[in-house]
Amino acid sequence: EVQLVESGGGLVQPGGSLRLSCAASGFTFSSYWMSWVRQAPGKGLEWVANIKQDGSEKYYVDSVKGRFTISRDNAKNSLYLQMNSLRAEDSAVYYCARGETDYSSRWAYWGQGTLVTVSS
Amino acid sequence: DIQMTQSPSSLSASVGDRVTITCRASQGISNYLAWFQQKPGKAPKSLIYAASSLQSGVPSKFSGSGSGTDFILTISSLQPEDFATYYCQQYQSYPVTFGQGTRLEIK
Repeated sequence: EVQLVESGGGLVQPGGSLRLSCAASGFTFSSYWMSWVRQAPGKGLEWVANIKQDGSEKYYVDSVKGRFTISRDNAKNSLYLQMNSLRAEDSAVYYCARGETDYSSRWAYWGQGTLVTVSS
Repeated sequence: DIQMTQSPSSLSASVGDRVTITCRASQGISNYLAWFQQKPGKAPKSLIYAASSLQSGVPSKFSGSGSGTDFILTISSLQPEDFATYYCQQYQSYPVTFGQGTRLEIK
């Protein structure tokens, strides 16, 4: 059974940093694209970042470029999102999602999400 | 960026009804279109990919159609568990974008 479990969310002050993790199990992690998608309270879904199987390609939404870094550790079956210079508008539930082997953003599996709140 | 526009934004229907939700892309995306269902406090659930392919385990009451710029999600014989918010998503190009969502409510 595919499982994705996010952790690392919490309350952080504007300008601060946070590192989210996503522990994957039930599939060959190194064979799939992985993604982060977020949802601000009461709002719609917003794609954040993608990373290729070997980490050689990374893509970001413009609003996080230069502040967020997606990474993965295939030996640990884990996906990460390093978030720096956080802003109030980054407050959201952050989901990790599994892409496909050949479609980076076709997501059949999602984690339960971790809440990030940016506030003073 | 490709803008995805769903209509309606909200919809009231009764148990047993058949409903359709439309999604329009601001430029052609072939069939790189997915549909998700989301219930309050829960992660999105994949329903449809490649515009019309049913995700494994999803009941056949859900169906998708369309290609290019215009897409439809149809839900037949609505049951109480189907009342949720539905999103379309294009994955033809970066940035990946979603529609604003359609809230399906019980009449």
